[in-house]
Amino acid sequence: GNSVTQMEGPVTLSEEAFLTINCTYTATGYPSLFWYVQYPGEGLQLLLKATKADDKGSNKGFEATYRKETTSFHLEKGSVQVSDSAVYFCARMDSSYKLIFGSGTRLLVRP
Amino acid sequence: DAGVIQSPRHEVTEMGQEVTLRCKPISGHDYLFWYRQTMMRGLELLIYFNNNVPIDDSGMPEDRFSAKMPNASFSTLKIQPSEPRDSAVYFCASSSQTNTGDETQYFGPGTRLLVL
Repeated sequence: GNSVTQMEGPVTLSEEAFLTINCTYTATGYPSLFWYVQYPGEGLQLLLKATKADDKGSNKGFEATYRKETTSFHLEKGSVQVSDSAVYFCARMDSSYKLIFGSGTRLLVRP
Repeated sequence: DAGVIQSPRHEVTEMGQEVTLRCKPISGHDYLFWYRQTMMRGLELLIYFNNNVPIDDSGMPEDRFSAKMPNASFSTLKIQPSEPRDSAVYFCASSSQTNTGDETQYFGPGTRLLVL
């Protein structure tokens, strides 16, 4: 079926460590892909997006590349900070403008 | 821009009571979405509107849930009667896909509902 799968958390890292959160999707065609971040007690905020194959979305040091060959959109950051602690959601757009979300990955960054 | 506004931010009610959640989308946005977030089921789309018209309500759990959008700047999600299993965080989001082609959905801060 059409879905988004992301790695289970929590992911616990030390400050300045390298981060990867895996995300794969199933879909017909090439949907737009998104990463949203949810800080404690807040709503979801768009972190980055990519609308076509091979596009790279980037924001606040985070990056993700739209890989149609592997149907993936992995989130990476070279050096995480304590302030990056949050829940990260991968999502894809369907043909009806609905977002299909993954289950979320909690990131905890320790000083 | 004030962003998507939701009220109340927190609601505690007793089983059987009516609950009304409110949302003001970003001005100029023509799509409005209602989501529910729980630990067990994650983020679920309940219903969405385009130009104030409900397009897809297949995610609405049952007849106890209803949503309206009387104008472009206001929407409500009502639960009547409420049950403990309705306890969740309810998010409203809006986007301006038709006007700008931008598919990004902008989320409100959510309403945390607890039904006792």
